[in-house]
Amino acid sequence: KAGVTQTPRYLIKTRGQQVTLSCSPISGHRSVSWYQQTPGQGLQFLFEYFSETQRNKGNFPGRFSGRQFSNSRSEMNVSTLELGDSALYLCASSLVSGSRPNYEQYFGPGTRLTVT
Amino acid sequence: KNEVEQSPQNLTAQEGEFITINCSYSVGISALHWLQQHPGGGIVSLFMLSSGKKKHGRLIATINIQEKHSSLHITASHPRDSAVYICAVRPGWGSQGNLIFGKGTKLSVKP
Repeated sequence: KAGVTQTPRYLIKTRGQQVTLSCSPISGHRSVSWYQQTPGQGLQFLFEYFSETQRNKGNFPGRFSGRQFSNSRSEMNVSTLELGDSALYLCASSLVSGSRPNYEQYFGPGTRLTVT
Repeated sequence: KNEVEQSPQNLTAQEGEFITINCSYSVGISALHWLQQHPGGGIVSLFMLSSGKKKHGRLIATINIQEKHSSLHITASHPRDSAVYICAVRPGWGSQGNLIFGKGTKLSVKP
């Protein structure tokens, strides 16, 4: 089975622009979670989608948004980019959510976003 | 105070040494994860624990729910074990709790 894929792998944007990142989960996985990793804050949860619905959201401003499509692929969007948004953005997919409280997450390679 | 604390932050070992990384947390959890991140960013999930002990090859993870503490042990360490090891907890019950991460332990194993 193919693993979690993320595109693009690297991205350079200018402050004020917007960006869209894509995540394709492992086939059959319906839950996709997004995380931001920075040297200062470490890994932080952004949001989780399951069956096209946002189930959970971390403590990030409204400039960060996401969506999930019927094929479980997910996108996250960051509008009005700030220098502090420079980070590694990781997505992870899981087979189940909701009825089972604990589930294994499989991480993608990440998208490294640099905002200049 | 962070909800998930890891120690040590950095660890250098000689090949073959036994290694222990510790994780303490302050919230009630439904599960604890140990993750491995190599340079370049890719993260691999090593263990998911809710009680007791799990073993996979040279890696052993234990958790003490009452003491809110988990340890990751690496036996017969090897340079390829060099990576950042991250502890993450899922608070509460059900899937509603977001993962909360520790800051990671950077391990370097010298040949």
